[in-house]
Amino acid sequence: DIVMTQSPDSLAVSLGERATINCKSSQSVLYSSNNKNYLAWYQQRPGQPPKLLIYWASTRESGVPDRFSGSGSGTDFTLTISSLQPEDVAVYYCQQYYDTPYIFGQGTKLEIK
Amino acid sequence: EVQLVESGGGLGQPGGSLRLSCAASGFTFSSYEMNWVRQAPGKGLEWVSYISSSGATMYYADSVKGRFTISRDNAKNSLYLQMNSLRAEDTAIYYCARGEVAPTLFDFWGQGTLVTVSS
Repeated sequence: DIVMTQSPDSLAVSLGERATINCKSSQSVLYSSNNKNYLAWYQQRPGQPPKLLIYWASTRESGVPDRFSGSGSGTDFTLTISSLQPEDVAVYYCQQYYDTPYIFGQGTKLEIK
Repeated sequence: EVQLVESGGGLGQPGGSLRLSCAASGFTFSSYEMNWVRQAPGKGLEWVSYISSSGATMYYADSVKGRFTISRDNAKNSLYLQMNSLRAEDTAIYYCARGEVAPTLFDFWGQGTLVTVSS
């Protein structure tokens, strides 16, 4: 199984500041035939289902604000929120969709400092 | 408007069975791969099962293999999860999630249905 490990487990950032969440996979999720990283990021606000933010490691889902960006390749990935807004308080999950089982990271809880 | 509405959750007995349903609307259900993802209370997300658009291919997490069965009825725009031999650790919110761009990239989720396994 491909294990996904996020860091940190929790994060407190001031409004307007940058938030950075890391995700590491136990093996590469880069598919050589199409040069795509099978890595997604989701946001889950309290009491809500998850929402897709980023896929192919760096492609923003339609409607997602451009303050959200994803980067990385192979086994190391980052989700960055450039200027934290109150509505960004949530738990963020990375997920590999490279191979079954389609494992999520343990989640990173983002709060306002 | 895309909608996924889960139902069928509730209290199940250890060793018992439940059948979850997910009613889809607002998109061409038969063209999309579908999944079940669960979340234990206060815990993270766990992918449970996948089914192809035609229903011919299914995958399961090891934790549910041999106990749960995913199925779909494209004529009724519905997804199902038959849950047998229930265990306490199956207690969770169960979400149906649509696969878009890639089969197990979940672009739309239902609100979920809570399954509690307890005697």
